[in-house]
Amino acid sequence: ETGVTQTPRHLVMGMTNKKSLKCEQHLGHNAMYWYKQSAKKPLELMFVYNFKEQTENNSVPSRFSPECPNSSHLFLHLHTLQPEDSALYLCASSQGQGEQPQHFGDGTRLSIL
Amino acid sequence: GENVEQHPSTLSVQEGDSAVIKCTYSDSASNYFPWYKQELGKRPQLIIDIRSNVGEKKDQRIAVTLNKTAKHFSLHITETQPEDSAVYFCAAASTSYGKLTFGQGTILTVHP
Repeated sequence: ETGVTQTPRHLVMGMTNKKSLKCEQHLGHNAMYWYKQSAKKPLELMFVYNFKEQTENNSVPSRFSPECPNSSHLFLHLHTLQPEDSALYLCASSQGQGEQPQHFGDGTRLSIL
Repeated sequence: GENVEQHPSTLSVQEGDSAVIKCTYSDSASNYFPWYKQELGKRPQLIIDIRSNVGEKKDQRIAVTLNKTAKHFSLHITETQPEDSAVYFCAAASTSYGKLTFGQGTILTVHP
């Protein structure tokens, strides 16, 4: 299934770098989500976009900056990250916010040096 | 907000045995309960889901039961196979809002 595509798959960056994660969905969905998956912790919802508008920011530090230029694309801009930000970042989409199920991408494995 | 507890954190079974994973939730407004399977290095994939208007749903070897009164739901896998080995996550959401809250995950290992 390639309905939700994330790039890059792996990213190593220093704490002072700026990088971006990209997510693209080919399912015609209108809602997109960013999740953080750390070892031994539940998936944590970070942001929700519905029809390009941000509808949820789950108290995420400002060093993570999302962008949703259209319903098919979602970015997560990273700046001045901390070692504890190392995790798998998963993108998901659904027909609309409140509509289930959510379909996930393969994620970006992020390592902060 | 919603809180989802999942047990056990690890489960080891012999091939052919049944496996049961249980979750509890706190928000009575939750009405959608999916189960995801995540193999190593891969995306979480929806394997079955249930909505609050039914108490049980089955799809071949996989079944989910829901007890709304007690606020718990369970995943049942029968005749387990080595390829069932993965991490399984339960989640709960209110479809009026859509925010999924996930359990901590269960590492299932099926020994040949």
